[in-house]
Amino acid sequence: RKEVEQDPGPFNVPEGATVAFNCTYSNSASQSFFWYRQDCRKEPKLLMSVYSSGNEDGRFTAQLNRASQYISLLIRDSKLSDSATYLCVVNDGTSYGKLTFGQGTILTVHP
Amino acid sequence: SAVISQKPSRDICQRGTSLTIQCQVDSQVTMMFWYRQQPGQSLTLIATANQGSEATYESGFVIDKFPISRPNLTFSTLTVSNMSPEDSSIYLCSVTPAPGTGELFFGEGSRLTVL
Repeated sequence: RKEVEQDPGPFNVPEGATVAFNCTYSNSASQSFFWYRQDCRKEPKLLMSVYSSGNEDGRFTAQLNRASQYISLLIRDSKLSDSATYLCVVNDGTSYGKLTFGQGTILTVHP
Repeated sequence: SAVISQKPSRDICQRGTSLTIQCQVDSQVTMMFWYRQQPGQSLTLIATANQGSEATYESGFVIDKFPISRPNLTFSTLTVSNMSPEDSSIYLCSVTPAPGTGELFFGEGSRLTVL
């Protein structure tokens, strides 16, 4: 089993749609969780951290379910500029905090 | 935040040769990392570059194949030695200004093609 698993997609949605991505992780000791965004032929960039109580940043909402070892990202009112690969990232629970990246979910938003 | 410059940005190399990738950061950072992203895949950590000591390699990666230097807190190099086509990949340098927070800043990557 992969340490971090994501549905690779691709997800093709129209502008204005709501889309959700899921991610599961295998290391129960993981303490920190993140969503990164990677545009085509670009480096990954941090989109948002994921907190236990869930958190929102504009049109983006992240949720964490520790019991199920499951993380989600919801994007509301999709924009063309949201087209990218979304990477689920989990640390290994140590103070050093090695990060493990999921394979990414490809999102394409079309007019 | 941190600004990271990597070079070369891309290269095409012959089998059996070696290539050294440089990573320069605009501020002093304790931890620097080298990742690999193979075509259609996610990122895999190669090693952590430690200033003043040997790099710490992840499972599946060895120093003879991927020697790393870290002469100071703003610079590191990764060498891909005795290359084969399987080494064709994007190699990314990254830093974390705050270890353990999960916030990584990446260089733009070095896209390597081995013929």
